[in-house]
Amino acid sequence: GENVEQHPSTLSVQEGDSAVIKCTYSDSASNYFPWYKQELGKGPQLIIDIRSNVGEKKDQRIAVTLNKTAKHFSLHITETQPEDSAVYFCAASEGGGADGLTFGKGTHLIIQP
Amino acid sequence: DAGVIQSPRHEVTEMGQEVTLRCKPISGHDYLFWYRQTMMRGLELLIYFNNNVPIDDSGMPEDRFSAKMPNASFSTLKIQPSEPRDSAVYFCASNRQGAGTEAFFGQGTRLTVV
Repeated sequence: GENVEQHPSTLSVQEGDSAVIKCTYSDSASNYFPWYKQELGKGPQLIIDIRSNVGEKKDQRIAVTLNKTAKHFSLHITETQPEDSAVYFCAASEGGGADGLTFGKGTHLIIQP
Repeated sequence: DAGVIQSPRHEVTEMGQEVTLRCKPISGHDYLFWYRQTMMRGLELLIYFNNNVPIDDSGMPEDRFSAKMPNASFSTLKIQPSEPRDSAVYFCASNRQGAGTEAFFGQGTRLTVV
């Protein structure tokens, strides 16, 4: 089955700086890569996703890049703000009947004022 | 829509007791997923349904765990008998069309087995 590795486990950045979280996956059949944000006491919420036919996707301050050859994808947050503090999870899904998501272990992002 | 609704939000039970977690998916969604979240293992897929039919239960840890979806608007995850190592946050999620589409998560049920 799929295995998703995520690092770092904790990331502390100054407000206004950029944050980068990286993930690798093992199954070359995976073709959908979402990123979820989880705030304390809440369920994960999708912030951005990318499919395997796209190399990069942006949504305001958030961007995701995908390198299919190397089997890794990254989340980039620019101009970080206090409300960006949360736990971020990457995930992978291969589709084709395997409809569930395999998640990374999460990154606790701390924005220092 | 109110989103995915789970109940209860918190459950404390004694070892050996039966525990039932409940989930109401978003109306119109044909896929429903149960995940478990722990510090050690992160978010793990336990089982998922398509059109009320269980498709993959390979993530269910033991026979003590069972899940049902009697209709499109309700699912249960049951643990019997419960053990302290079952303590975790259990999430239900739903979406349309399964893979490659956004999964919407509920607020979770925090289960503590003492």
